Amino acid sequence: GQQLNQSPQSMFIQEGEDVSMNCTSSSIFNTWLWYKQDPGEGPVLLIALYKAGELTSNGRLTAQFGITRKDSFLNISASIPSDVGIYFCAGQQGGSEKLVFGKGTKLTVNP
Amino acid sequence: EAQVTQNPRYLITVTGKKLTVTCSQNMNHEYMSWYRQDPGLGLRQIYYSMNVEVTDKGDVPEGYKVSRKEKRNFPLILESPSPNQTSLYFCASSVGNEQFFGPGTRLTVL
Repeated sequence: GQQLNQSPQSMFIQEGEDVSMNCTSSSIFNTWLWYKQDPGEGPVLLIALYKAGELTSNGRLTAQFGITRKDSFLNISASIPSDVGIYFCAGQQGGSEKLVFGKGTKLTVNP
Repeated sequence: EAQVTQNPRYLITVTGKKLTVTCSQNMNHEYMSWYRQDPGLGLRQIYYSMNVEVTDKGDVPEGYKVSRKEKRNFPLILESPSPNQTSLYFCASSVGNEQFFGPGTRLTVL
């Protein structure tokens, strides 16, 4: 099945640093989503993007829908220890509710 | 509280012993799906259902069955589990773009 190319696979950063991760695809997506999974829990939606070029923020998180509709990135500013977890990008095509997921970026924040 | 529940949360079983993982949602969502999560592979869709009595294969359906007899429930059935089905399983329901995930079921098949 189709998957998105998400990078980096893992990041080890110091508290207070900014973080950037991205997702690319060979196909066009109509919607890009970013999820966070805390240890031992299911993924939770952070940000949803619906239009090419759209830039959306949610607190310290900012995500953008690439203008080619084949990529998206997520930035986290001034990281804190509770940002630890796995971040997934996901895309939707056409009128389907099916999500295609990236393989995730595992974030570790050292206090 | 709007939620997706799964049971059991943890299960250790042996090869060939049929098992069912239940999933229930209280949000009246029509779309439900099952995923498995494996290290380095992310989330892969097993089966999905667009409504009652409407189910279809996802990306990795082999060895699994599902049923959707009522809107709120979407059980995952492993008729004859094998060790390669050891994984973390998530049920999700959605309306539109946002999928709500359950807490996960960690399955070990010996």
